[in-house]
Amino acid sequence: QKEVEQDPGPLSVPEGAIVSLNCTYSNSAFQYFMWYRQYSRKGPELLMYTYSSGNKEDGRFTAQVDKSSKYISLFIRDSQPSDSATYLCAMSDYNNAGNMLTFGGGTRLMVKP
Amino acid sequence: GAVVSQHPSWVICKSGTSVKIECRSLDFQATTMFWYRQFPKQSLMLMATSNEGSKATYEQGVEKDKFLINHASLTLSTLTVTSAHPEDSSFYICSAMSGAYTDTQYFGPGTRLTVL
Repeated sequence: QKEVEQDPGPLSVPEGAIVSLNCTYSNSAFQYFMWYRQYSRKGPELLMYTYSSGNKEDGRFTAQVDKSSKYISLFIRDSQPSDSATYLCAMSDYNNAGNMLTFGGGTRLMVKP
Repeated sequence: GAVVSQHPSWVICKSGTSVKIECRSLDFQATTMFWYRQFPKQSLMLMATSNEGSKATYEQGVEKDKFLINHASLTLSTLTVTSAHPEDSSFYICSAMSGAYTDTQYFGPGTRLTVL
């Protein structure tokens, strides 16, 4: 079993839909949680960075962390075709913060006009 | 802020030659830089971690003599693929982070290496 599980998709939604992307993890030591967006043949771009449990909102993006369930989510409101990309969750434990990130396999999202 | 660049973005070389890839942090000092490899439709695979002025720490299974990493300054790390072979063809991505405790990694745009 992988430390971080992420449905590879592809997830296809119509423009304007609310998108929910999720990751589950097994290591209870993880404290820092990130979401990266990666366009084809490009490097990952940091979207959201949260510490411990709770919600964080930034524009159309909302990140949720439920440490009791070992489950994190990224919600995208009013999805746009430009949101079509692969979304990677990543996490690290208390002692490392950004060091030694453990990545999910990525979910490919397609937003159709 | 937190911009990381890579050069070149795409390189094609002949088998047996060496290729150098540069990774630069443009607007911050990177005490730690990371090198990843990514195959099509797969997630990132960490190859090595380097701290400025120190030898790189390689992940298990990564040949340190084949993938030479130099982190000579707080804004520059280089990855040299020595005696490249077609199986080394891949997408190589670097990332960088500052020394701040709660900082995370910022990624470069990646370098596509094709070995003929």
